Amino acid sequence: QKEVEQNSGPLSVPEGAIASLNCTYSDRVSQSFFWYRQYSGKSPELIMSIYSNGDKEDGRFTAQLNKASQYVSLLIRDSQPSDSATYLCAVSSGSARQLTFGSGTQLTVLP
Amino acid sequence: DGGITQSPKYLFRKEGQNVTLSCEQNLNHDAMYWYRQDPGQGLRLIYYSQIVNDFQKGDIAEGYSVSREKKESFPLTVTSAQKNPTAFYLCASSIGGGVLAKNIQYFGAGTRLSVL
Repeated sequence: QKEVEQNSGPLSVPEGAIASLNCTYSDRVSQSFFWYRQYSGKSPELIMSIYSNGDKEDGRFTAQLNKASQYVSLLIRDSQPSDSATYLCAVSSGSARQLTFGSGTQLTVLP
Repeated sequence: DGGITQSPKYLFRKEGQNVTLSCEQNLNHDAMYWYRQDPGQGLRLIYYSQIVNDFQKGDIAEGYSVSREKKESFPLTVTSAQKNPTAFYLCASSIGGGVLAKNIQYFGAGTRLSVL
């Protein structure tokens, strides 16, 4: 059974701080890694994808992947109240590249 | 506008009734997926389809059925055998392309199903 574990929340950070979200996965042959943001009552929207070891930056977001440790993280710099949402880590593996999702980390950015 | 359209937004099921959730995409994607999300939980895969007229069971297929007669459409039927159907149902699609593809999945707005 493939598993994706996220750090338990909820997580609260003050506005302007760095929010750090973590995710570990069990399937060593996983190929692709995604972070989705989900606002309450809405569907997930993709914010970051990462496929190789190292860091990938996009604006205020940085995804970090370490395949040896089976670990992927998301850093949000200069956090804003609008970043308050649940962040879902998803890992792709298998011949059909199906996604396995973590249970999510709820982030609250305090003004 | 390109995207994934799910309907209805809200759906109510009576005891013993089958209900069908619609998912249509105009992104020309080959692969489509159905997920279920329970409160405070992540998404669990129900069924997926990589090409027309072919689909596979996901992790929680019992009590559900699907069809894929057209590339654009992937309806999900929640049958009376699904004893706890209350959840948020999400349809997704991706370009597909097999093991070399990056398989970025995009989601529709979802359907909330409740039992009367």
